[in-house]
Amino acid sequence: GQNIDQPTEMTATEGAIVQINCTYQTSGFNGLFWYQQHAGEAPTFLSYNVLDGLEEKGRFSSFLSRSKGYSYLLLKELQMKDSASYLCAFMDSNYQLIWGAGTKLIIKP
Amino acid sequence: GAVVSQHPSWVICKSGTSVKIECRSLDFQATTMFWYRQFPKQSLMLMATSNEGSKATYEQGVEKDKFLINHASLTLSTLTVTSAHPEDSSFYICSAHEPGTGDTGELFFGEGSRLTVL
Repeated sequence: GQNIDQPTEMTATEGAIVQINCTYQTSGFNGLFWYQQHAGEAPTFLSYNVLDGLEEKGRFSSFLSRSKGYSYLLLKELQMKDSASYLCAFMDSNYQLIWGAGTKLIIKP
Repeated sequence: GAVVSQHPSWVICKSGTSVKIECRSLDFQATTMFWYRQFPKQSLMLMATSNEGSKATYEQGVEKDKFLINHASLTLSTLTVTSAHPEDSSFYICSAHEPGTGDTGELFFGEGSRLTVL
């Protein structure tokens, strides 16, 4: 079967670093996406990993290990505006996105 | 990046009425668009895949007669919630893949439409 799991909520301090983990199980895999979603708004794209390793994009980095079915999103130098939900999703063999429930990230001053 | 626009952003209607939500790709042609529903504090749930010029593909458990999808042109897909009831109140979002990337490219989302059925 297919499933994807990420923590429901995390809290971090402004200026700090936070890592949001995502684990998944699937027989067919065509990449893993991370999206940011502010309350009441549509998701916005953050990253896409299809090969193992770390992809860095400014303050945000995303890591993938296909053998472990594991990804994480790393946010550095946290800002208050980073308070949002972070959704991970993998693309299965039918190119359909399977979404996690999202991790609500709360940033405290 | 590609731009997808949804309208209306907010809609309030009475129970039993129908509501139409439009999703437009503004600067590219989208042969396929996706419609999602999101309940508060929950993840996106794919409702259906909208295919230009043909019938939409609905996910299991989604009533095709209740959620009518029309993709009459390469830049417009519409979702009509027929005979809406309070339990249909939700956040509806459309999306399309980055042009030229088939099914593997970045998904661009519309702004979302929040439906409240009284």
